[in-house]
Amino acid sequence: QSVLTQPPSASGAPGQRVTISCSGSASNIGNNFVSWFQQLPGTAPKVLVSRNDRRPAGVPDRFSGSTSGTSASLAISGLRSEDEADYYCATWDDSLSSQVFGGGTKLTVL
Amino acid sequence: QLQLQESGPGLVKPSETLSLTCAVSGGPIRRSVSYYWGWIRQPPGKGLEWIASIYYSGATKYNPSLKSRVSLSVDASNNRFSLEMTSVTAADTAVYYCARQDAVMVPTPPTIWGQGTLVTVSS
Repeated sequence: QSVLTQPPSASGAPGQRVTISCSGSASNIGNNFVSWFQQLPGTAPKVLVSRNDRRPAGVPDRFSGSTSGTSASLAISGLRSEDEADYYCATWDDSLSSQVFGGGTKLTVL
Repeated sequence: QLQLQESGPGLVKPSETLSLTCAVSGGPIRRSVSYYWGWIRQPPGKGLEWIASIYYSGATKYNPSLKSRVSLSVDASNNRFSLEMTSVTAADTAVYYCARQDAVMVPTPPTIWGQGTLVTVSS
């Protein structure tokens, strides 16, 4: 059971907007930076968002991250077939003194 | 452009020690006061699990569930860092990633990842 809770699956049609949630607590999301990663099959995770809402160079602005209290969200607009992948949130947990990851969300583009 | 590359045996016997090295190119580990250097693993078909992170000074942070079996080290002269995990079992079979993490009091999630290396624990 992950400390950060993500829905196991999400889906949307091409062109639509999808939001993936990541629920935590005051000791993790509520007090530390959140990152989001995209992982295609057989490849290393790719950083989509760091420090809650910063996009690294090269990441399309279709991807946006936000936090509110003890939850974080990743929004993907203008959904494309190549967005079909697994998505993970991550942060530091002060109580566990440990970096923690969400269980992952498998995004399907219909 | 900073790049990380894992290396080490792809097959380890149960009860033995897993040893991996991460070579860093494109920037020095030495005196990198802004970064931690970490290891994350992913069992086949499962999610990501943080193992441990090390600061350039040698200060370390470990996953409490793995702490008793894991040790990290930095070889600044060769610009690399290493992971050792003792008494491995089949449950330690995973893709192991090395990564760079920003240092802001605690390590942030990775900002740069290596490509990963599969380690299988089997006799």
